[in-house]
Amino acid sequence: NAGVTQTPKFRVLKTGQSMTLLCAQDMNHEYMYWYRQDPGMGLRLIHYSVGEGTTAKGEVPDGYNVSRLKKQNFLLGLESAAPSQTSVYFCASSYSRTGRNTGELFFGEGSRLTVL
Amino acid sequence: AQSVAQPEDQVNVAEGNPLTVKCTYSVSGNPYLFWYVQYPNRGLQFLLKYITGDNLVKGSYGFEAEFNKSQTSFHLKKPSALVSDSALYFCAAGNNRKLIWGLGTSLAVNP
Repeated sequence: NAGVTQTPKFRVLKTGQSMTLLCAQDMNHEYMYWYRQDPGMGLRLIHYSVGEGTTAKGEVPDGYNVSRLKKQNFLLGLESAAPSQTSVYFCASSYSRTGRNTGELFFGEGSRLTVL
Repeated sequence: AQSVAQPEDQVNVAEGNPLTVKCTYSVSGNPYLFWYVQYPNRGLQFLLKYITGDNLVKGSYGFEAEFNKSQTSFHLKKPSALVSDSALYFCAAGNNRKLIWGLGTSLAVNP
């Protein structure tokens, strides 16, 4: 049982390049989230999804796009990377319709992105 | 605006001593309350939560948290700290759809 898996774990981009971060969960969770973590700013929600085919904006969505074509996957895209997007990105999932629900989020190990 | 405050950026405690990491919240309704721990270069891990019932909640690794409705607080505690407890601790309030996060408290347990 892998839980939440993020790829890649590290990436260096040049300004203006595009990339996609992939998040996969094997817990049959309905909800998935993308956060960014920056020093002194805690966790900030970028986008989230409450089910396959649905996405919604979080508190810092600008410059990012997401897709949830399959229930187990949640993709975060940067169309034109900027240095301000240098951060550690975390994917999380929660809530199963059929499983035991205790309300907590399950996090991946993080993806460290540097934009030069 | 809704918020979660962790008033201490850093807490230092000697191994074997009790520890407290503070959290207060200003979130409407009766939010779920959570504590998560983050070890260096790792993702966040769930420690414990309060939904309803007993004000003292027990969680993983010997941690517990005390809910105080009148003070809107949810402080994390452990009777005897270990060096391995050194990590970043986050408090959060809300539910599946919307969680408000604190900025985190760095706990350093000194041998």
